[in-house]
Amino acid sequence: DTEVTQTPKHLVMGMTNKKSLKCEQHMGHRAMYWYKQKAKKPPELMFVYSYEKLSINESVPSRFSPECPNSSLLNLHLHALQPEDSALYLCASSQDELRDTQYFGPGTRLTVL
Amino acid sequence: AQSVSQHNHHVILSEAASLELGCNYSYGGTVNLFWYVQYPGQHLQLLLKYFSGDPLVKGIKGFEAEFIKSKFSFNLRKPSVQWSDTAEYFCAVKSASGGSYIPTFGRGTSLIVHP
Repeated sequence: DTEVTQTPKHLVMGMTNKKSLKCEQHMGHRAMYWYKQKAKKPPELMFVYSYEKLSINESVPSRFSPECPNSSLLNLHLHALQPEDSALYLCASSQDELRDTQYFGPGTRLTVL
Repeated sequence: AQSVSQHNHHVILSEAASLELGCNYSYGGTVNLFWYVQYPGQHLQLLLKYFSGDPLVKGIKGFEAEFIKSKFSFNLRKPSVQWSDTAEYFCAVKSASGGSYIPTFGRGTSLIVHP
């Protein structure tokens, strides 16, 4: 199984809402990633978890809060977002952080009204 | 910080034409190099990768790439494209930074292949 699943596929939220994005993989990978991708742009790295510990935070605003409850799950908690945060949020995983290939999920299309 | 440049932003070809997409990176230390593809409506998937060894790597669907260390380049090639190769192509580099390996993506190349 080389699949990374993400839920929900689409999410529309207001600026005062609190919502969460979920990512799951069962490949035994120990590194998991959150990216933000705007239309026709490359994925921008947000966070990296390695062995369930936050390894990299690319200066992401605190309205985005990642959580890694266990080695298979990665959440992204959203609160007080802005319309400019509307984007495709991608989750990826790799065997480890150091070198390995990343496997990407299909993404969650987020619209902030 | 690492940067990745993809010189061709939009490429339009006819079927059977040859393809070469350029990719250059800035950081000269230990790097791992990747090409990912995003077909319309689908998620990012790996085409090929280079970690070490033979600098000419072969990937899926007839794609290959050559790592030229002296030029900081990792160009993607395919001798004869097909309509089904229409997609967005991203070059990516993982480079060491303070004990972590940071993945950095190029801005992407949109390839359209006409039948």
